[in-house]
Amino acid sequence: DIQMTQSLSSLSASVGDRVTISCQATQDISNYLNWYQLKPGQAPKLLISDASNLEAGVPSRFSGSGSGTDFTFTISSLQPEDFATYFCQQYDSLPPTFGGGTKVESK
Amino acid sequence: EQLVQSGAEVKKPGSSVNISCKTSGDTFSHYVINWVRQAPGQGLEWMGGILPSFNTKKYAQNFQGRVTISADKSTNTVYMELSDLRSADTAIYYCARSTGFQRILFDPWGQGTLVTVSS
Repeated sequence: DIQMTQSLSSLSASVGDRVTISCQATQDISNYLNWYQLKPGQAPKLLISDASNLEAGVPSRFSGSGSGTDFTFTISSLQPEDFATYFCQQYDSLPPTFGGGTKVESK
Repeated sequence: EQLVQSGAEVKKPGSSVNISCKTSGDTFSHYVINWVRQAPGQGLEWMGGILPSFNTKKYAQNFQGRVTISADKSTNTVYMELSDLRSADTAIYYCARSTGFQRILFDPWGQGTLVTVSS
């Protein structure tokens, strides 16, 4: 199975900050990488697919980049509603696997 | 599209739990419904999925023999049964749609079902 690693399990930030989350795969997954947002009591939400494709309706402050084994997710200016946990997920091969998640908390 | 899951469950170790995920007719007929869980303080873990139109199923190796995914065409509902429950199975269980089993992208997701395993 392909292992996905998010180096930070949590980070503290303030509204307006630029937030960057990294995700690394144990083997080349091309651009088959998604990012999800998870808030307590809510359904997880797909934000970015194919490493950098912003899903419809997702604010443009969210972005993604990378290919191969190293990927980055960025929130350009953190908003109050963005405090949540973010997961990367590879879908290059079965089984689909997720990073451990990065919780964005208020500083 | 909305996936609606059944409510929270409390189970004893060794027992089984059956969770439902109600979909639309279009989703039931054309998509895969997957099950993903998140244990407390843990990441997300894919358990398996079903393509109801062909009754094709795939299971993650970690859950082989303990998980059964099924579908009811009359109600457009997918079920996930997990047997021989242990405390480590305490988690939120989500259903999520994908277009197939190749290159699985999960969208949308159900609201989640909390399963607590406790004696």
